Amino acid sequence: DAGVTQSPTHLIKTRGQQVTLRCSPISGHKSVSWYQQVLGQGPQFIFQYYEKEERGRGNFPDRFSARQFPNYSSELNVNALLLGDSALYLCASSPGSFYNSPLHFGNGTRLTVT
Amino acid sequence: AQKITQTQPGMFVQEKEAVTLDCTYDTSDQSYGLFWYKQPSSGEMIFLIYQGSYDEQNATEGRYSLNFQKARKSANLVISASQLGDSAMYFCAMREGSGTYKYIFGTGTRLKVLA
Repeated sequence: DAGVTQSPTHLIKTRGQQVTLRCSPISGHKSVSWYQQVLGQGPQFIFQYYEKEERGRGNFPDRFSARQFPNYSSELNVNALLLGDSALYLCASSPGSFYNSPLHFGNGTRLTVT
Repeated sequence: AQKITQTQPGMFVQEKEAVTLDCTYDTSDQSYGLFWYKQPSSGEMIFLIYQGSYDEQNATEGRYSLNFQKARKSANLVISASQLGDSAMYFCAMREGSGTYKYIFGTGTRLKVLA
């Protein structure tokens, strides 16, 4: 079975631009989460969607938005990019939304803002 | 507030030996899950092992075991018979059972296995 797939793998953008990152979950997984990982740190929670509804949002500005589609794939949008948005963006899926559901991560999108 | 602490920024271990990576957590919730992930230099996060707060037995998955001490709020990862391919960053994470849907990650431990 295919794992979590993310696109693109790498991206270079200029300050002020907008970016869209895409994620396809493991087949049968209805929960998709987004995490930001800055170099040298652990992943930080951005959003979680379950059954196409936003279930959680981390401490990120409104420039960050996301959505989940009927096929459970998801997009993360970041507007007005700042240098500090440079990071590895990880998408994760899980079969359910309970605390005993491990996250299964994609390979990430490495975003560089110049 | 929930928190994960990993106090070992880096660890070295000789090939074929066992190593313990430390993780302590803080939560006021009775129901929670604890997870360990491996992140090689390529970047992907690989799920290794899970321990639930109500599980009485320590979790094991192949060469990985989780030393769960609930009273001490610790969930240390033990890797037995280390292999060169175990060299990576290791993250401890927690998810509370009520209210929040987020997983909290520690700052990680970089493990280097020596030949």
